[in-house]
Formats: sequence, structure tokens, C-alpha cells
Amino acid sequence: GQNIDQPTEMTATEGAIVQINCTYQTSGFNGLFWYQQHAGEAPTFLSYNVLDGLEEKGRFSSFLSRSKGYSYLLLKELQMKDSASYLCAVLDSNYQLIWGAGTKLIIKP
Amino acid sequence: IAGITQAPTSQILAAGRRMTLRCTQDMRHNAMYWYRQDLGLGLRLIHYSNTAGTTGKGEVPDGYSVSRANTDDFPLTLASAVPSQTSVYFCASSEDPSTGELFFGEGSRLTVL
Repeated sequence: GQNIDQPTEMTATEGAIVQINCTYQTSGFNGLFWYQQHAGEAPTFLSYNVLDGLEEKGRFSSFLSRSKGYSYLLLKELQMKDSASYLCAVLDSNYQLIWGAGTKLIIKP
Repeated sequence: IAGITQAPTSQILAAGRRMTLRCTQDMRHNAMYWYRQDLGLGLRLIHYSNTAGTTGKGEVPDGYSVSRANTDDFPLTLASAVPSQTSVYFCASSEDPSTGELFFGEGSRLTVL
């Protein structure tokens, strides 16, 4: 079966750095995606990795290792507005997105 | 503002009633999707459409139907609602079915009593 695992909840301090991990087992691989979802709102696209390595976009970076079935989202200089759920998703061989349950990130002052 | 519009935002209905959730996009995207989101679970695909005139079943299609008569509209119908269909429903679109970059509507919160 297909599976995406990520921690249910994480807590971090404003101004700090946090890393949210995601491991996956899917039928094929056509890319890994991270989305941000604030409470009561729709998910919004954050990043996309299809090759191994680090993709940086401002305060957010995403890393991929296809051989390990592993990705992480790194958030630097945390702000209160970063409090949200972060969803990891993999595009499988049928070009269907397989979603993790999301990691709720709580930022404390 | 371009994007996806869903209606209604919230609805309570009695079990056994028929309900249609509306979804309209103005981005001329080819692919559209309906997901449900339940606490502790990932987004689950109900139905999808890769292009106008075609539809396909996702992971949890039972009890739901869709149509894609044109590019912009993708309504989701619950023929006879049951309490297990209580959920938040998100409509999404993408420029191409092969991309995982989706644009989501604001969601429709449905409660079936």
C-alpha cells in the first residue's frame, strides 16, 4: 500500500528553526510537495522537489532523498504566522497525489 | 481575484437528503479534484477530472458523483447523505493533471445529521 508518514504535532519557538520530516512509500514517484494549511483555511502550495537535494525559497527550504524515501521542510526565523499544519504529498506513478495527515506546528513566543 | 469558488461554505442537512456542492474556477485549468478532509487523516480524493467531459474515481468515491460539462464547473453530488459524509470538502484545480501543484477552494463544511 501507499503511505506517507509525518509527525502529528511539533512545537517551536518564535525566531528559531524547525525541521518537519516526511517519509513515504508509494507506487512510483513523480515529485514531492509541501503545502501549508492554516486552521480553517485551504491548503496552499509551498514547495516541490523532484530531484535529490535542497530547494530554498526564502525562509523555507525543502529537501529530498529519493533513495531513502525521505523529505523534510525546514522553516527558519520562525514567525507566529507560521503556526499552521504542513502537509506532505507525493505524486505517484498514476499522477495522483498521496497525502500525509499533516503536521500541526505550534509556535510559542 | 482569480481562483476557485465553492458553495455553500457550510451546510447542515438531514440524512437521506440530496446535496450538491458547487465548484467554479476561472483559471482555465484542465484538471479539477474533489477531496474530503477529516481530522487525523490526510486529504482523500473523491473524484477527479483531467479535462472537460471526463471524470474518474478517486480513493473514496462511494456515495458521491460528479460531472464536468465545461472547463469551469465541477459539482459534487451526494445522492443520499449519510452521517459518515460529515466532513470538510475541498475542490481544487491544476493546470495539468501531471502536476501536483494544486489550487484549492476555501472548502465546504458539511454536517449530516
